[in-house]
Amino acid sequence: KAGVTQTPRYLIKTRGQQVTLSCSPISGHRSVSWYQQTPGQGLQFLFEYFSETQRNKGNFPGRFSGRQFSNSRSEMNVSTLELGDSALYLCASSPGQPVETQYFGPGTRLLVL
Amino acid sequence: AQSVTQLDSHVSVSEGTPVLLRCNYSSSYSPSLFWYVQHPNKGLQLLLKYTSAATLVKGINGFEAEFKKSETSFHLTKPSAHMSDAAEYFCVVSGPSGTYKYIFGTGTRLKVLA
Repeated sequence: KAGVTQTPRYLIKTRGQQVTLSCSPISGHRSVSWYQQTPGQGLQFLFEYFSETQRNKGNFPGRFSGRQFSNSRSEMNVSTLELGDSALYLCASSPGQPVETQYFGPGTRLLVL
Repeated sequence: AQSVTQLDSHVSVSEGTPVLLRCNYSSSYSPSLFWYVQHPNKGLQLLLKYTSAATLVKGINGFEAEFKKSETSFHLTKPSAHMSDAAEYFCVVSGPSGTYKYIFGTGTRLKVLA
């Protein structure tokens, strides 16, 4: 089975712009989670989607949003980018039941100038 | 609230010597615990997982971890380090039931000396 894929792998934006990141889960997985990784804050949970519904979200401002499509692919959007949004954004997929293993993609590295 | 504390931010070992990466957890319920490894510029790879079955969990690449409820610990060990083990390791606890999220420790960077 193919693993979790994320596109693009690298992205450079300027402050105030918006960005959309994409994640394709492992075939058959219905849950997609997003995490932000920074040197200062470590790995933090953004949100999780299951069957096109957001089931849980972390403590991030409303500028961070996401969605999931009927084929389980997910997108994450960040509007009005700030310098502090520079990070590695990781997507993970799982079948969707509690405490199942999450399988991570390689991440999208976003640099905001 | 659930949390994990990785007691060492950096660990250095010589190739061929044992590895010990320490993790303590806090949870108001019986937790699921994981260890993930992240090589430079790569995503996270699952090493092993504890979900209330056997307390000694064997993972990939010779790693294992022991769940000790009395000590609230889940330390990761490997008998003999290899150069390819150099990476960052994360201890993870599952979030409260129904949250479907992971709570990550701050990571331990393992350096393996030749």
